[in-house]
Amino acid sequence: DAGVIQSPRHEVTEMGQEVTLRCKPISGHDYLFWYRQTMMRGLELLIYFNNNVPIDDSGMPEDRFSAKMPNASFSTLKIQPSEPRDSAVYFCASSLGDRDTQYFGPGTRLTVL
Amino acid sequence: QQQVKQSPQSLIVQKGGISIINCAYENTAFDYFPWYQQFPGKGPALLIAIRPDVSEKKEGRFTISFNKSAKQFSLHIMDSQPGDSATYFCAARFHSNYQLIWGAGTKLIIKP
Repeated sequence: DAGVIQSPRHEVTEMGQEVTLRCKPISGHDYLFWYRQTMMRGLELLIYFNNNVPIDDSGMPEDRFSAKMPNASFSTLKIQPSEPRDSAVYFCASSLGDRDTQYFGPGTRLTVL
Repeated sequence: QQQVKQSPQSLIVQKGGISIINCAYENTAFDYFPWYQQFPGKGPALLIAIRPDVSEKKEGRFTISFNKSAKQFSLHIMDSQPGDSATYFCAARFHSNYQLIWGAGTKLIIKP
């Protein structure tokens, strides 16, 4: 079984550029979570979806961040324009609503120069 | 009230020793308490979890102890091995929306 798939695994970009991170959740899972991990702030929940609908985006740091889930098998997290302080590892996770485990992808390491 | 406080921030244990990581919470609306293990370059993965209706759960060398009245839970790793070196996160989940509230993480190093 394929786990959660994220792409790209590494992204280096310059300040001001648009960045798009992609996620394919585990087939059949109805919850999808986007997290950001940094040394200073640890693991932060940015936004999560249930059945492709955004439920809570209170963790999105500012309007430069947006996330979409056009269908059950694909989600994107977009940063426009990117800033150096956005440098972090971004994780996508999925779960089956009435089950307990969140399954994490391998993450995307973003570096904004 | 939504926080989960985890300690210590880092821990060094000799091979064969017992590693203990502690977490505390305030909100009684939490109904599920997992521990996740994260190796460098990987995403967190579920290690073991407990619900508040039991006081202890053991899986191999890993045990969760849960104290509902004190609002505390801890992870014990018996006979710690170098392969256990990783970052460990505790978390707590709201029953109403399946959202996990995460602890800050503990970097565990097992010395051979």
